[in-house]
Amino acid sequence: QKEVEQNSGPLSVPEGAIASLNCTYSDRGSQSFFWYRQYSGKSPELIMFIYSNGDKEDGRFTAQLNKASQYVSLLIRDSQPSDSATYLCAVSLYNFNKFYFGSGTKLNVKP
Amino acid sequence: NAGVMQNPRHLVRRRGQEARLRCSPMKGHSHVYWYRQLPEEGLKFMVYLQKENIIDESGRPKERFSAEFPKEGPSILRIQQVVRGDSAAYFCASSLPRGTSKAPDTQYFGPGTRLTVL
Repeated sequence: QKEVEQNSGPLSVPEGAIASLNCTYSDRGSQSFFWYRQYSGKSPELIMFIYSNGDKEDGRFTAQLNKASQYVSLLIRDSQPSDSATYLCAVSLYNFNKFYFGSGTKLNVKP
Repeated sequence: NAGVMQNPRHLVRRRGQEARLRCSPMKGHSHVYWYRQLPEEGLKFMVYLQKENIIDESGRPKERFSAEFPKEGPSILRIQQVVRGDSAAYFCASSLPRGTSKAPDTQYFGPGTRLTVL
């Protein structure tokens, strides 16, 4: 079982819609959770992190964490074609110096 | 530029040669991570270092690959006797020391080095 699981996609949404990206993790000791965006041929770029249950909003992005169910999600409101990229979920077991990335979900936002 | 720096950005080597990839972390960061990414694949963790100390090298291929982060200067990922299968993007990320923020293990990535082995 992988430490972090993501659906590889592609997830296709029309411009202006809400894109919902999901991620599950296996270790209940995971402490911090991250979403990165990676455009083709570029390096991963941090979007946001979350470490408490609930929602965290930053502009058009909302991260949701549910530790009991061991999932973290990213919602992108008013999706734009420029949001088309691969989104990587990552979790950290800080006390154990472990940091795991999922394989990413490819998002296509159609104009 | 306060970001993570990597050089060279592109590196071409022939089979059997050595490749040296360099990474300078963000200012104030003392932790460095190296990842490899094959085309159309996910990030694969290789090694995690602090200055003069390897914290985790569980992802590092045991043969031909080595990494260091000396007291002075950048972190170096060294690949000896490269083979075509080593062709990939190699990313470095850095993070803060422990206790310096709510999420000190947040990793910030450099632009990567694209290695091509002929």
